Amino acid sequence: AQSVTQPDIHITVSEGASLELRCNYSYGATPYLFWYVQSPGQGLQLLLKYFSGDTLVQGIKGFEAEFKRSQSSFNLRKPSVHWSDAAEYFCAVGAPNSGNTPLVFGKGTRLSVIA
Amino acid sequence: DSGVTQTPKHLITATGQRVTLRCSPRSGDLSVYWYQQSLDQGLQFLIQYYNGEERAKGNILERFSAQQFPDLHSELNLSSLELGDSALYFCASSSQSNTGELFFGEGSRLTVL
Repeated sequence: AQSVTQPDIHITVSEGASLELRCNYSYGATPYLFWYVQSPGQGLQLLLKYFSGDTLVQGIKGFEAEFKRSQSSFNLRKPSVHWSDAAEYFCAVGAPNSGNTPLVFGKGTRLSVIA
Repeated sequence: DSGVTQTPKHLITATGQRVTLRCSPRSGDLSVYWYQQSLDQGLQFLIQYYNGEERAKGNILERFSAQQFPDLHSELNLSSLELGDSALYFCASSSQSNTGELFFGEGSRLTVL
């Protein structure tokens, strides 16, 4: 069964600084990988996804993530953080060709942005 | 707007009571998933339905049940409520593209007093 670890519970960055949120997964093969964002009082919105091919994927709001098979990682990055990026970020893993079995989510990383 | 609709948005009830949460998936999506989000447990998968039939079961308590109706909307029934059931309950749907991508509703926040 797949699992996801997000090692950082809470991260604080200054506005304009770069950001990297860590995600490690456990799965026997190459999984489908996702990053979702949850703003306060909102549902989860998909930021980006990796299915296959180019290991660097671009998402919405200026985010990108890189799939590294050797490290079982799918870290999320943004070169310059905006105050509106303050939210909870979830990494998720899915099993390819499995008939849409449920995604497994990490426990999330809460991002705070300071001036 | 994801296209997934959940009602009610907020619900306050007492221990021992029963509530029903409702979800309408995106147009054309056959799969519906229920997740529970609590502070200590994160996002926990409860149950999945596909075109009216149960497809997968996660950490769903026996006091909880769900169903998906012919029009594809789904209901999650929570009974004999306990304080610990207070949480955000999310519904999500997925397309038939087999990518696993989920589209989430805004959630129903349940408070049990």
